[in-house]
Amino acid sequence: DQQVKQNSPSLSVQEGRISILNCDYTNSMFDYFLWYKKYPAEGPTFLISISSIKDKNEDGRFTVFLNKSAKHLSLHIVPSQPGDSAVYFCAASLGSNYQLIWGAGTKLIIKP
Amino acid sequence: DGGITQSPKYLFRKEGQNVTLSCEQNLNHDAMYWYRQDPGQGLRLIYYSQIVNDFQKGDIAEGYSVSREKKESFPLTVTSAQKNPTAFYLCASSINQGSYEQYFGPGTRLTVT
Repeated sequence: DQQVKQNSPSLSVQEGRISILNCDYTNSMFDYFLWYKKYPAEGPTFLISISSIKDKNEDGRFTVFLNKSAKHLSLHIVPSQPGDSAVYFCAASLGSNYQLIWGAGTKLIIKP
Repeated sequence: DGGITQSPKYLFRKEGQNVTLSCEQNLNHDAMYWYRQDPGQGLRLIYYSQIVNDFQKGDIAEGYSVSREKKESFPLTVTSAQKNPTAFYLCASSINQGSYEQYFGPGTRLTVT
């Protein structure tokens, strides 16, 4: 049973536009959420995170929104750039053991 | 340059053979992790270690073994008991068990035929 779901395997966005990547979760006890970015044949790299006590966190072009009532979070990238083309993973943590539960990833393709 | 190294990048083995994947970090992190990634799936935790000489099973530990004799090193052995060993294996570390952010190595793609 997947506790963290990324329902879109891929997403194609025009360069300069907004990219919105979505993530749904089932466990209301998750207290911290992270987004990672992964290029082919490389390990994931940390992008941005949000605590469950917040509803928004912003870092440059990247903003993560958390809707606890809907058990949904999203990553907004504005404006999208060619270097943003990668697979994006959503991960969630239970406070008790800090282990991360991962979504399956969404492949973002930025078109020139 | 601090980071995590995994070697080799690609590994091929015959069915029935044990194989050990290397993971070394020079970040002075206490906690280390091994994940497995299969196509269309998220990362799944195999084993993790919070401190030297201590490690715990993750969600899919069957058919795998680890050791943590040094802070810098956390090798993973894929044994012949692992039913579907072909996968992409990722090693990660974090400052300590209480840190959410994990740093990843480049991964090893293991193919068993």
